Amino acid sequence: AQSVTQLDSHVSVSEGTPVLLRCNYSSSYSPSLFWYVQHPNKGLQLLLKYTSAATLVKGINGFEAEFKKSETSFHLTKPSAHMSDAAEYFCVVSVNGNKLVFGAGTILRVKS
Amino acid sequence: NAGVTQTPKFQVLKTGQSMTLQCAQDMNHEYMSWYRQDPGMGLRLIHYSVGAGITDQGEVPNGYNVSRSTTEDFPLRLLSAAPSQTSVYFCASSLKGGQPQHFGDGTRLSIL
Repeated sequence: AQSVTQLDSHVSVSEGTPVLLRCNYSSSYSPSLFWYVQHPNKGLQLLLKYTSAATLVKGINGFEAEFKKSETSFHLTKPSAHMSDAAEYFCVVSVNGNKLVFGAGTILRVKS
Repeated sequence: NAGVTQTPKFQVLKTGQSMTLQCAQDMNHEYMSWYRQDPGMGLRLIHYSVGAGITDQGEVPNGYNVSRSTTEDFPLRLLSAAPSQTSVYFCASSLKGGQPQHFGDGTRLSIL
């Protein structure tokens, strides 16, 4: 069965330093993977998606993620954190084309 | 372009009451879905629909009913509310299943 594990429930960084949010997935075939962001009291917004075209995926707001099949990982990174990046981030895998399975989420805190 | 619209934004119910959460999208998307979000558990799929007249169960369907009589609307019904259904509910849509989804802003439901 497909599943997603986000390795950190909370990550805290200082403004201007790099961000790394870790995600491992389990899938019996080549998956479609997504990262979503949720700001407080808001819905979810797509950051980026992987659909096998390229292993390094660039998203909005300077975020990118690298698909590593050998490590079954899809970590999200950003070179320099901004205060507005503080939010909850979800790693998501698509199952059978009709269902999304969400990780438990990582809350990113950005310190000034 | 309104995107995905959910109503109401907040609701308090008593145990045993019934309620319908409304979801409408104006993007002519075939795929629509309902999720519930609980702390530390990410989003879990309740029901989904791949087109008008077609619905299917997700991960946590018990206690919820759906119907899809039009492409635009996908209401979620709680027939007899229970405290365990206290949650934030999100509706989402996409052009097809497996593609990035557009989310509404959520309905915060409390059941006493």
